[in-house]
Amino acid sequence: QVLLVESGGGVVQPGGSLRLSCAASGFTFSGYGMHWVRQAPGKGLEWVAFIHLDGSNEKYADSVKGRFTISRDNSKNTLYLQMNSLRTEDTAVYYCAKVIETAGNIDYWGQGTLVTVSS
Amino acid sequence: DVVMTQSPLSLPVTLGQPASISCRSSQSLVHSNGNIYLNWFQQRPGQPPRRLIYKVSNRDSGVPDRFSGSGSGTDFTLKISRVEAEDVGVYYCMQGTHWPPFTFGPGTKVDIK
Repeated sequence: QVLLVESGGGVVQPGGSLRLSCAASGFTFSGYGMHWVRQAPGKGLEWVAFIHLDGSNEKYADSVKGRFTISRDNSKNTLYLQMNSLRTEDTAVYYCAKVIETAGNIDYWGQGTLVTVSS
Repeated sequence: DVVMTQSPLSLPVTLGQPASISCRSSQSLVHSNGNIYLNWFQQRPGQPPRRLIYKVSNRDSGVPDRFSGSGSGTDFTLKISRVEAEDVGVYYCMQGTHWPPFTFGPGTKVDIK
């Protein structure tokens, strides 16, 4: 079965950096695009970034453009999110999510990892 | 950007009674390939989201048949024919037709009266 396991969350000061990972199993990772979606405490879902199955195409939300970088290592079945210049408003649970058929069709989500940006 | 709205934002329901959630988009979600990429997700308390319905009306494997999706263009609906206790949570619609960005509705919180 599809399994997505996020890691790398934690507490970081404003202006700091963090790298999240998402280990994928149960499917052919290199065959599917992947998203990062976040959820601030008590709030709704916010799309963060998308990467094409071979890493050739990346898209970002305006709120993170220029600060966050999505990448993947298909040899390791792992998705990444490099987060720089973190702000307090980046505090959220970060989920990785798999797509099927097309970028807009998310079918599976990970359990999430909490990032807290605080001084 | 496509803006997604949902109503109501809070929905107290009686066990065994039906429930309906509306989702509207600021522009038609019909893709150039003819598909409509409108999904519904359920998020139970303390859990990640789970997809219930994809492309408007297709129920995911393992999803009870009391859940159904319908709609076209800009207006979409998720219906629960008879609410059960395990249905408590927040329900989100999401569009994946016009991107970036991919956009979610604000969520509808379903709880038991």
